[in-house]
Amino acid sequence: GEDVEQSLFLSVREGDSSVINCTYTDSSSTYLYWYKQEPGAGLQLLTYIFSNMDMKQDQRLTVLLNKKDKHLSLRIADTQTGDSAIYFCAEPLGGFKTIFGAGTRLFVKA
Amino acid sequence: EAGVAQSPRYKIIEKRQSVAFWCNPISGHATLYWYQQILGQGPKLLIQFQNNGVVDDSQLPKDRFSAERLKGVDSTLKIQPAKLEDSAVYLCASSLVEGAEGYTFGSGTRLTVV
Repeated sequence: GEDVEQSLFLSVREGDSSVINCTYTDSSSTYLYWYKQEPGAGLQLLTYIFSNMDMKQDQRLTVLLNKKDKHLSLRIADTQTGDSAIYFCAEPLGGFKTIFGAGTRLFVKA
Repeated sequence: EAGVAQSPRYKIIEKRQSVAFWCNPISGHATLYWYQQILGQGPKLLIQFQNNGVVDDSQLPKDRFSAERLKGVDSTLKIQPAKLEDSAVYLCASSLVEGAEGYTFGSGTRLTVV
């Protein structure tokens, strides 16, 4: 199928690490993306990973890719209240038509 | 650089009325997308343009939705007549090349059909 699957909610305490998981469908996807959406705003590209990589680190963000299981995860270290948002996993099907998961709502408790 | 501009930000209409949304992508971005985001869901692609040509409109309900990008720059999306289930945020996005470095999204137009 064409579904990108994500868990819907995650709640963490400020300062803890957050891990958001995603299962995608197209094993031929060259890139996989994480987008962030704050209330009332459009989606903002957070980071992406090439399919030939297993891991990418960008400051507090770590992306892990398991191609065998078609599993993508986003780890946010030292989570802050400003990280509260919806996080979308996305993949370009057939190399161009990008589809999005339903989004994981991250709640950060002070 | 200026972002993707969309207008209006909000629109409330009655069912069976028509409505139009406007999008101006980032300068130089050849590819433009319209997505529909229903509350609590991820964005769903409605139509993709490459310059002024349609690349994919397989998810566009063509009996009521239409979109154009006549000069390969800005674009309009129209709904006529609107139904209650069209209530959603309509997001416009653009990119330099298809998918390579992700999309830049506008803030969206929130449509409420009553």
